[in-house]
Amino acid sequence: IHLTQSPSSLSASVGDTVTITCRASQNIYRYLNWYQQKPGKAPNLLIYGTSTLHSGVPPRFSGSRSGTDFTLTISSLQREDFATYYCQHSFTSPLSFGGGTKVEIK
Amino acid sequence: VQLVESGGGLVQPGGSLRLSCTASGFTFSNYAMGWVRQAPGMGLDWVSTTTSGGSRTYYADSVNGRFTISKDNFRSTLYLEMERLRAEDTAMYYCVKLDNDYGGGAFDYWGQGTLVTVSS
Repeated sequence: IHLTQSPSSLSASVGDTVTITCRASQNIYRYLNWYQQKPGKAPNLLIYGTSTLHSGVPPRFSGSRSGTDFTLTISSLQREDFATYYCQHSFTSPLSFGGGTKVEIK
Repeated sequence: VQLVESGGGLVQPGGSLRLSCTASGFTFSNYAMGWVRQAPGMGLDWVSTTTSGGSRTYYADSVNGRFTISKDNFRSTLYLEMERLRAEDTAMYYCVKLDNDYGGGAFDYWGQGTLVTVSS
């Protein structure tokens, strides 16, 4: 199963709403997770099962699905949200990640 | 939850290395565990996972037959035995906890990583 993330990078300002898309090469139902990684740090789980927020993740993060297209939305972008985001499917082995989306400050 | 990796370092092509991950803060025997790697400047790459009891193991094609994952539930430690290492195995290796016992879920906690460099 191949995951295609878009865009690969974007520039945004504090307070903006940002949308990142992850397209799966086949139906993975709701088995899609999102991670945030800051430079020099390990990734952190944000959302699992398409739309469930991991413990401690602020509600400005949300996830949705339309068929094989999945979306991560960050509402009212905060300075600490500038990072790289990855999607990952957990439908079946082999597991795989999308290529990542770097969110930079405009 | 705390995951602490060790065992990384510089190794020559064709060599071997064993990574360890010591876990604490949760009931280790109840959860599947795995390894994810990240080459310098690149994205995340799933390597291997094992079920809670360690009886089932899964590998990426790129490491299948060269790497072996194992889980010691008495010592709360996860291992990755790496053999016939190649330059393309150079990466930060992260130990990950899964959110279930069967090995197919989300990686809900990550260690800080241990760096493996394969070079002559």
